[in-house]
Formats: sequence, C-alpha cells, structure tokens
Amino acid sequence: NAGVTQTPKFQVLKTGQSMTLQCAQDMNHEYMSWYRQDPGMGLRLIHYSVGAGITDQGEVPNGYNVSRSTTEDFPLRLLSAAPSQTSVYFCASRSAASGTDTQYFGPGTRLTVL
Amino acid sequence: DAKTTQPTSMDCAEGRAANLPCNHSTISGNEYVYWYRQIHSQGPQYIIHGLKNNETNEMASLIITEDRKSSTLILPHATLRDTAVYYCIVSSASKIIFGSGTRLSIRP
Repeated sequence: NAGVTQTPKFQVLKTGQSMTLQCAQDMNHEYMSWYRQDPGMGLRLIHYSVGAGITDQGEVPNGYNVSRSTTEDFPLRLLSAAPSQTSVYFCASRSAASGTDTQYFGPGTRLTVL
Repeated sequence: DAKTTQPTSMDCAEGRAANLPCNHSTISGNEYVYWYRQIHSQGPQYIIHGLKNNETNEMASLIITEDRKSSTLILPHATLRDTAVYYCIVSSASKIIFGSGTRLSIRP
C-alpha cells in the first residue's frame, strides 16, 4: 500500500491564483481530512469527509473548497490564493471501523503564496 | 469535542521514561483519548488511543485516570528519535482536532 499520497510536494502561487492540492489513499478509508500547519503552530482542520459525497467544514474552512466523488480521492481547492494561506497542508485518512482509529497522514504540501 | 491542556515543553534524559500529561476535564463518555506525535516537519504519526482502560502497544503506554479527566502518555525508554511534538486529542466524531501539543526534547 502507498498509504496517503499528496501532490505536489511544493508549490508557489501568486496572489489571486487558484489551484488544487491532490490527496489520495489506497486503504479504502471512509474518513479523510485536510489540515494546515503554519510555522511553529499546531494543525488546524480545514475540511473533512466521512465518505464519498459527504463533506463538512472544520475550524478554518474559508477560502477552501473540497469534494469527495470517490473513496480514494479528496482534493482541496484554493479558490483565490492569499498570502495568509502560505502553510504546510496535510491530508489524512482513517477507517470508520470501531477500534481502528489510527489516522494516517500524507507527507504534506508546502505552499507559498506571494 | 473536548479541549485538552498540555505543557508547552518538557525534556527527558535518554534511556529514561518520558511521562507526558494531558488534562481533558470536559471529556464526554463516548470520547476517546488519542495521542499523535510530529517529528520535525513530517506528517503526524499515530501513537496510541484509549477509552477507559489503560493501553499499551509497541510504542507507548497510555494511562487514563478513573474519572477520565486526565491521561499520561509513557514512552518507557526514550531515545533521541523520540524528540517531537506530542499531541493529546479527545474525540468521538469523524473529525480530529489538534491542540498545540507538548514539545518533548530528549537529552543525551
């Protein structure tokens, strides 16, 4: 299993540009989440999904859109990038089965918005 | 989701047990206690979780008080590779919200 994969690893955007961060998992996990981590800070939940077709907002959803058309993929879209969105973005997945609550994280995408 | 309180930083000598405390006084009956750690800039790594009983795995032990208002993560023989930020989280839902964690430094 590849686990949770994220692309790209690094990205530089100009203010106002849009882009999609990709996340995929091959573990057939129902739950997927997106977090951002600013320098020296903890992780903050952006959006999450409990299954294909179902998404919900986390702590800091503004400026981001998500969709979940398949179990495997959970892309994060930045609609109009702003310097405040400069951060490291982590995607995670977890099984919904009781007793198997391990959340697996991807390697992260480092985004800089100029 | 219940909030957690952890010390900002701790240190421990290599080879000794590292005991990381966490307060979660507003925890609900169906909320689990999770511990994750983040080494440098990598994605967080799951360590252990529990509901009421103490738990042990190959990485650590989790001790939860009887009233479930606090817990302690124990790394039995800390090594330099255990230097990381450790997050204590309580959650019953599909979303897991991280706090600011404890920065653990292991000294040689």
